[in-house]
Amino acid sequence: GAGVSQSPSNKVTEKGKDVELRCDPISGHTALYWYRQSLGQGLEFLIYFQGNSAPDKSGLPSDRFSAERTGGSVSTLTIQRTQQEDSAVYLCASSIRTSGSYEQYFGPGTRLTVT
Amino acid sequence: TQLLEQSPQFLSIQEGENLTVYCNSSSVFSSLQWYRQEPGEGPVLLVTVVTGGEVKKLKRLTFQFGDARKDSSLHITAAQPGDTGLYLCAGESVGTYKYIFGTGTRLKVLA
Repeated sequence: GAGVSQSPSNKVTEKGKDVELRCDPISGHTALYWYRQSLGQGLEFLIYFQGNSAPDKSGLPSDRFSAERTGGSVSTLTIQRTQQEDSAVYLCASSIRTSGSYEQYFGPGTRLTVT
Repeated sequence: TQLLEQSPQFLSIQEGENLTVYCNSSSVFSSLQWYRQEPGEGPVLLVTVVTGGEVKKLKRLTFQFGDARKDSSLHITAAQPGDTGLYLCAGESVGTYKYIFGTGTRLKVLA
């Protein structure tokens, strides 16, 4: 079956513009995570969904960031009034609970560049 | 704030050598995962360890979870160029579904 897909793969935007990043998870995976990765470093947790609800939004860097998930499937991460420090790779992972932990399957990411 | 420190940050070795990567924290985790990431791709899960003291082997890779579930190690025997990549550990916070990722170890294996 298909893995996690993300679109666009690359996005260049001007400072101050809004951007929307999309994640299509693996069918049947109830959990979905968004992370941010700067320049080949570790991943920074942004938000987690269980179904359509987000019990943990603690990682969103500011109120310019928001995310939603509809139908327990597709999720979108929106960044308003983008800033240069928002430049990073945004990764989405869908997840299923097995043997006491969540196995996360990552998409290829969206590389966001804010000029 | 929970942190996972990985060491070393960078490692460049010759094919055939052994190596160990460490993942340390002062926090307890419900489980710990190791991922490998290649350029332009998302991380790929290698293993999950759940029980303190647990050891798992995956071909030439051996993973250990510390007795207190605060730290972990990844040992690679006879490294090969195909092992090159960014290795990430990730701990599941107790009582949540949140994963804290380590700072990463970039491994390069030279032929």
